[in-house]
Amino acid sequence: GAVVSQHPSWVICKSGTSVKIECRSLDFQATTMFWYRQFPKQSLMLMATSNEGSKATYEQGVEKDKFLINHASLTLSTLTVTSAHPEDSSFYICSARDRVGKNIQYFGAGTRLSVL
Amino acid sequence: GEDVEQSLFLSVREGDSSVINCTYTDSSSTYLYWYKQEPGAGLQLLTYIFSNMDMKQDQRLTVLLNKKDKHLSLRIADTQTGDSAIYFCAESNPGGGADGLTFGKGTHLIIQP
Repeated sequence: GAVVSQHPSWVICKSGTSVKIECRSLDFQATTMFWYRQFPKQSLMLMATSNEGSKATYEQGVEKDKFLINHASLTLSTLTVTSAHPEDSSFYICSARDRVGKNIQYFGAGTRLSVL
Repeated sequence: GEDVEQSLFLSVREGDSSVINCTYTDSSSTYLYWYKQEPGAGLQLLTYIFSNMDMKQDQRLTVLLNKKDKHLSLRIADTQTGDSAIYFCAESNPGGGADGLTFGKGTHLIIQP
């Protein structure tokens, strides 16, 4: 149980294009999902919290117009990197929290974004 | 502010026990976690401990929490080559806006044959 699927696992795109990453909780409902970013050999940094049916909450320094988050259902959140540039190249990882009780977060396998 | 510290590398011999240490600063943390990340992969939740517990054991894994010193450790008994990975300590604080986790930089566990 507690499986989180993230797609795509790797994407290469041209500068200026937009990329959508999906995060799905496969066997549980998640009212809250989280998006993290990880630079090489670094820790994970929380970008935003995605709440089902409401606007996402962004961490300080994260541009909400750059990183669009949609959490339209209890099992799906999407992160769209708009007008991507090489500095957006990174490893993006989502997590989902079971709607019941504890703040136990299950992570997807991550998406490696390379912007040329 | 929140800060989670852990050493960057730990080298152990196969079959020995590994002890990975972590310190945190937020005394109001309710949950503390250990995640494992293999190269190019996402994070696998290994175990977590609630802040009112001192110890939790799950097969080869033992977590010790010293809340007074804000110190968390993960002991892996009989370390195997498959345990080679980066181990992240993380904390959760119910206060503030989101309940996103705050991670340490990760400890790279290296297994010597």
